[in-house]
Amino acid sequence: AQSVAQPEDQVNVAEGNPLTVKCTYSVSGNPYLFWYVQYPNRGLQFLLKYITGDNLVKGSYGFEAEFNKSQTSFHLKKPSALVSDSALYFCAVRDAGGYQKVTFGTGTKLQVIP
Amino acid sequence: SQTIHQWPATLVQPVGSPLSLECTVEGTSNPNLYWYRQAAGRGLQLLFYSVGIGQISSEVPQNLSASRPQDRQFILSSKKLLLSDSGFYLCAWVGLAGAGELFFGEGSRLTVL
Repeated sequence: AQSVAQPEDQVNVAEGNPLTVKCTYSVSGNPYLFWYVQYPNRGLQFLLKYITGDNLVKGSYGFEAEFNKSQTSFHLKKPSALVSDSALYFCAVRDAGGYQKVTFGTGTKLQVIP
Repeated sequence: SQTIHQWPATLVQPVGSPLSLECTVEGTSNPNLYWYRQAAGRGLQLLFYSVGIGQISSEVPQNLSASRPQDRQFILSSKKLLLSDSGFYLCAWVGLAGAGELFFGEGSRLTVL
């Protein structure tokens, strides 16, 4: 069975500082990894994905994520946080070889402090 | 471009009443469709998925059912709502290319009183 862990319920960061939201995963085959963002009372928006290739992937709104196979991690990063980045962030995984069932983490609330 | 619509956006229903939430996708054909529930603004639980008309798979036993009467229509239903059915219901479809990233509707918030 595949699973995703987001160890932090909430991350606080000052505006302008770099941010990291952590994610680790477990999957039997090669992973497809995703990050989504959710604003209050809205649906989830796709940010970025890792399929294969370069371990650093870039996505929307200046976000990037680093894939680390040995640590089974896929942390979300941004060099300089904005107040408007405050939202709920979800990491997700699916097995590259399996049916397109995506498993989500429990979410991390990012609070950017002005 | 592809779009996904959900309605109603908000619903308040008494315990024991029926439910129907609708989701439609535009701009694509034969999409894989999903219903998720998000409780207490946090984790997402996959309820149902569908790979085609009339094909429904249930992930967890529950008081809900799903149907796909048309290629781009996905309906979530209940005959008798429970208090525990309250939550934020999200419909999603899989992108046509790439790794299968999901694209979500804006959600339907259900409150059962």
